[in-house]
Amino acid sequence: QKEVEQNSGPLSVPEGAIASLNCTYSDRGSQSFFWYRQYSGKSPELIMSIYSNGDKEDGRFTAQLNKASQYVSLLIRDSQPSDSATYLCAVSFSGGGADGLTFGKGTHLIIQP
Amino acid sequence: GAVVSQHPSRVICKSGTSVKIECRSLDFQATTMFWYRQFPKQSLMLMATSNEGSKATYEQGVEKDKFLINHASLTLSTLTVTSAHPEDSSFYICSALNMNSPLHFGNGTRLTVT
Repeated sequence: QKEVEQNSGPLSVPEGAIASLNCTYSDRGSQSFFWYRQYSGKSPELIMSIYSNGDKEDGRFTAQLNKASQYVSLLIRDSQPSDSATYLCAVSFSGGGADGLTFGKGTHLIIQP
Repeated sequence: GAVVSQHPSRVICKSGTSVKIECRSLDFQATTMFWYRQFPKQSLMLMATSNEGSKATYEQGVEKDKFLINHASLTLSTLTVTSAHPEDSSFYICSALNMNSPLHFGNGTRLTVT
């Protein structure tokens, strides 16, 4: 059974600070890792994808992957109130998610003005 | 690119009736589409994988005779919830596989069965 674990939160971060979101997964053979942002009542929106160990930066977002520890994280710099949402970690056994994605339950992030 | 359209966005139906949800890939051909379901405050759960021209693959615990999936073309997959009951009320989301990019999702369908 493939499992993806996230702290459900809520995680409260002051505006302008760094928000750190964490995720662990059980299937050591997982190949692709994704972070999605989901606003209440809306569909998930892709934020970042990462496939190899290390850091990947895109604007204010940095994804970090450590396959040995089966750990993936998302850092949001200069947090804005509009970043308040639920962040879903998703994992795929195949590259690009061709076998579908296994999602964590999500971390509810609140950015305090 | 990789736009996925889902329709309707919201539907209310009476118990015992059937509801069809459409998922279209607008700017690419999708040989594979996925159907997810999300209950309140829960994560997305994969229901089935839809492959163009063949039968869908259902996840364990998902009734194939209740959730009918048809992937008749490279740009369209449909999910029909047959004989819907209140416990089927949920947020249904599709995604389409584009080999050149990660999965993108449709806007979802909020189903309420009264």
